Amino acid sequence: DAGITQSPRHKVTETGTPVTLRCHQTENHRYMYWYRQDPGHGLRLIHYSYGVKDTDKGEVSDGYSVSRSKTEDFLLTLESATSSQTSVYFCAISVGTGEWGEQYFGPGTRLTVT
Amino acid sequence: TQLLEQSPQFLSIQEGENLTVYCNSSSVFSSLQWYRQEPGEGPVLLVTVVTGGEVKKLKRLTFQFGDARKDSSLHITAAQPGDTGLYLCAGAGAGGTSYGKLTFGQGTILTVHP
Repeated sequence: DAGITQSPRHKVTETGTPVTLRCHQTENHRYMYWYRQDPGHGLRLIHYSYGVKDTDKGEVSDGYSVSRSKTEDFLLTLESATSSQTSVYFCAISVGTGEWGEQYFGPGTRLTVT
Repeated sequence: TQLLEQSPQFLSIQEGENLTVYCNSSSVFSSLQWYRQEPGEGPVLLVTVVTGGEVKKLKRLTFQFGDARKDSSLHITAAQPGDTGLYLCAGAGAGGTSYGKLTFGQGTILTVHP
């Protein structure tokens, strides 16, 4: 257990509304990641963070923004949700220096945009 | 962009059979991880392989990293219904500052029938 929690676990929202997902870790790991998981696509990286206020884009970042004001919290925001953003969202941390990329995942947030 | 091709996408077998899942790329990875995911949960790390030609065993599961560090395989001996799940391979980029980022394969959904 890497001490990762995600909130909310489930959310239904309407197209055009803003949505923020929260990832919280208890072990002060430097690297954090947000992924989305869709059938047939495995896990795709949205954004990642390598320290407080240090973030960068992943392969599917359009329509998403992130913030990390504290080591333990990494927030993912959908500024104006669209139906294509219906997905399961996972947060992950990388242990140690991150060199070997061993990641540990939270339980996920299932987001439905209607 | 580094890509990982995972095959097969679906695998349905009877209890007691053996199976192999493949993960292939044209890119070199510094390490490769295998994860298992059950419905409604986040992926769980099974193993990390870092040396070309490396073989690791985890009970009935055998993981191999290709000599050129471009491919990997997961072999399960005498599969059991408890092995049912989604298996994901993921590679950590070679060279430079990767911030521990992983590239995931599309996943293999394994169903083992009693």
